[in-house]
Amino acid sequence: KAGVTQTPRYLIKTRGQQVTLSCSPISGHRSVSWYQQTPGQGLQFLFEYFSETQRNKGNFPGRFSGRQFSNSRSEMNVSTLELGDSALYLCASSPGASGTFLNEKLFFGSGTQLSVL
Amino acid sequence: DAKTTQPTSMDCAEGRAANLPCNHSTISGNEYVYWYRQIHSQGPQYIIHGLKNNETNEMASLIITEDRKSSTLILPHATLRDTAVYYCTVRVLLAGNMLTFGGGTRLMVKP
Repeated sequence: KAGVTQTPRYLIKTRGQQVTLSCSPISGHRSVSWYQQTPGQGLQFLFEYFSETQRNKGNFPGRFSGRQFSNSRSEMNVSTLELGDSALYLCASSPGASGTFLNEKLFFGSGTQLSVL
Repeated sequence: DAKTTQPTSMDCAEGRAANLPCNHSTISGNEYVYWYRQIHSQGPQYIIHGLKNNETNEMASLIITEDRKSSTLILPHATLRDTAVYYCTVRVLLAGNMLTFGGGTRLMVKP
């Protein structure tokens, strides 16, 4: 099976612009979650989508948004970019078969490295 | 969520066992301990998880103390490819796939 695919791998933007990142989960996985990773803050949860519905949301401003399509592919968008948004953005997928979703392993992509200048 | 504490870095000789400790003294009864690792420029990779009992899989063993306040990840025969940052984290019950990592332990396996 192909792994989680994230595009693009690297992105450079300027302050005030917006950006859209894409994630294709492992075939058959229905849950996609997004994370921001920075050296100072570590890995932080952004949001999770399951069957096209946002199921959980982390503590990020409304400039961060996402969506999931019927084929489970997901996109996240960041509007009005700030310097502090520079980070590695990671997408992870899981089967979504368990009712509690507690014991599911997450499979991560290699991430999109976003630099905001 | 319970907070975890790990040493910043550790070294291990190739072929020897690597024992990575994690403190999670505020863990609650229904929270699982998960371990992931991240090799440079890749996404995190799941290693193992457990609730109370010790667990073993093809990658590693997880030893959880009886009071569940700490755990140890054991890589039985470390190789150079095991050089990575290892994250111990606690998953909140019914919180879906919300995952948070702190600083982790940078393991350097040396020849």
